[in-house]
Amino acid sequence: DAKTTQPPSMDCAEGRAANLPCNHSTISGNEYVYWYRQIHSQGPQYIIHGLKNNETNEMASLIITEDRKSSTLILPHATLRDTAVYYCIGVPFSSGSARQLTFGSGTQLTVLP
Amino acid sequence: NAGVTQTPKFRVLKTGQSMTLLCAQDMNHEYMYWYRQDPGMGLRLIHYSVGEGTTAKGEVPDGYNVSRLKKQNFLLGLESAAPSQTSVYFCASRTLQGYGYTFGSGTRLTVV
Repeated sequence: DAKTTQPPSMDCAEGRAANLPCNHSTISGNEYVYWYRQIHSQGPQYIIHGLKNNETNEMASLIITEDRKSSTLILPHATLRDTAVYYCIGVPFSSGSARQLTFGSGTQLTVLP
Repeated sequence: NAGVTQTPKFRVLKTGQSMTLLCAQDMNHEYMYWYRQDPGMGLRLIHYSVGEGTTAKGEVPDGYNVSRLKKQNFLLGLESAAPSQTSVYFCASRTLQGYGYTFGSGTRLTVV
């Protein structure tokens, strides 16, 4: 599984876009990039995932570089409730894989009023 | 539709005691997982199951046992609790082809 590197913490002003970077230079061709977040010791919450194309859903956008060595999670209009630890994870998608998640330390995003 | 339910939510054990954590999901998911999270760290996989009657070891399986007798339930057992097992335990599940996991709200276990 790919090792990911994220900054330990970031701040963002409420209402502004939050851009969370992740380096995954060792990601293999059969691994998705997943993003989860964990709010105040609750269970992690799935946000979005992608392979090589940019993705968008109701929560966020995911921008993956062409070489797939890094990605950026974008929360377009951050609110106080987006304050959480954000995890970037490489997950193999082969049919025989149990796709267990390997969590790093993540990025503590603090949205400031 | 409750999703993933973990019981109990809190527990304090004495060293050497045993207990079982229950994870129940009502989404007909095939895959289920047990993770632990220590303060300031990410989650680490203990055991997982790819279907009823099957289990496998994860990253940190020592001191734990699991069973999946019914598809909707995944049990995590501690036979002889140790202070090093003080942690928050999360259960998760997903479908066979699904990409997003659904996590429970956690069980906070303290071993004294």
